[in-house]
Amino acid sequence: NAGVTQTPKFQVLKTGQSMTLQCAQDMNHNSMYWYRQDPGMGLRLIYYSASEGTTDKGEVPNGYNVSRLNKREFSLRLESAAPSQTSVYFCASRSSPEETQYFGPGTRLLVL
Amino acid sequence: DQQVKQNSPSLSVQEGRISILNCDYTNSMFDYFLWYKKYPAEGPTFLISISSIKDKNEDGRFTVFLNKSAKHLSLHIVPSQPGDSAVYFCAASDLGGFKTIFGAGTRLFVKA
Repeated sequence: NAGVTQTPKFQVLKTGQSMTLQCAQDMNHNSMYWYRQDPGMGLRLIYYSASEGTTDKGEVPNGYNVSRLNKREFSLRLESAAPSQTSVYFCASRSSPEETQYFGPGTRLLVL
Repeated sequence: DQQVKQNSPSLSVQEGRISILNCDYTNSMFDYFLWYKKYPAEGPTFLISISSIKDKNEDGRFTVFLNKSAKHLSLHIVPSQPGDSAVYFCAASDLGGFKTIFGAGTRLFVKA
């Protein structure tokens, strides 16, 4: 079991460029999450998908879009990157709200 | 407005002694609390949790205490080991809800 995998591990973008962060889990979990981690701010929820076919906004959704491609995959898209989106992005999944979340290793994004 | 606060950015403890990490929350709707541990360049991993019907939960060297009237929880690590050096995130949710709110984290240093 690979658990939760994220690609890429590191990315540098110029302001205005777009990119998609990929996340996949092999634990047959129903819900998946995207967080960003910034110094002094902890982990903040961007979007989540409670189940395949559904997505909802979290605390900081502006500037992002998501797609729950199937039960395994949940992608995060930045249409026009801004320096304020420089952060470390974590994907997580869990089988139900009563269970704990399993996190991927993170994607470090730098927007110049 | 941070709903989950970890007011100590860092804590340094001697090996073998007790580490106490503190967390305060403001939302009375939270009824499930978790601690996650994070090493550099890795995703957070679940450590221990407690529901609001309890005031204490133990797992080996780790104990979480919950004081609902004060909206305060703490994580005790006894005895502390150098391998415990990491960032610890406090988190809270309403059990059955999809959103988990994280604190900013406390970096623990355990000196040998």
